[in-house]
Amino acid sequence: DAGVIQSPRHEVTEMGQEVTLRCKPISGHDYLFWYRQTMMRGLELLIYFNNNVPIDDSGMPEDRFSAKMPNASFSTLKIQPSEPRDSAVYFCASSPNSGGFYEQYFGPGTRLTVT
Amino acid sequence: KQEVTQIPAALSVPEGENLVLNCSFTDSAIYNLQWFRQDPGKGLTSLLLIQSSQREQTSGRLNASLDKSSGRSTLYIAASQPGDSATYLCAVRNSGNTPLVFGKGTRLSVIA
Repeated sequence: DAGVIQSPRHEVTEMGQEVTLRCKPISGHDYLFWYRQTMMRGLELLIYFNNNVPIDDSGMPEDRFSAKMPNASFSTLKIQPSEPRDSAVYFCASSPNSGGFYEQYFGPGTRLTVT
Repeated sequence: KQEVTQIPAALSVPEGENLVLNCSFTDSAIYNLQWFRQDPGKGLTSLLLIQSSQREQTSGRLNASLDKSSGRSTLYIAASQPGDSATYLCAVRNSGNTPLVFGKGTRLSVIA
């Protein structure tokens, strides 16, 4: 398996523009997580899905952020409109729902810069 | 609310030394704990996962221990090498297949 795939790897955009980040989880994994990493706050959960259904979105900063998972192999995180404080590395992770370990596998991340 | 702390924030050691990284968590009722490695500009690589019923896990030169009752875990690296230089993150899972709560990491530099 190729692992968790994220695109784009880097995104530079101007304040006010819409940004869409994409994630393809590992095939067969039932859980998908979106995290954000900043120097100040470290890694924080934004939202997670189980079987394509959002379970907890309490970490989503505000209404400018939205996430979807239309099928088991694809998820998007959208920011509209983007602001400079959204600059961070966004990680997607997936995990299986079997075995009892629930080990999470992370993608390479998308480094977002909003100017 | 679960909080995870890692001390020290940064550590520099000469090659060949054995070293210990520390992780503490405020709520001892965890499901499991995971140690990750993150290289600059890269994603996270899982190193070891310890279930709450276990006391330690080993992989090569790495050994992770868990003392759930005291809310602590350590990652022991034997005979450190320059290639071990990275940020090491500790994360806990409170129950079942739920999100991880991360510490801010320890940035390790191993000097040749």
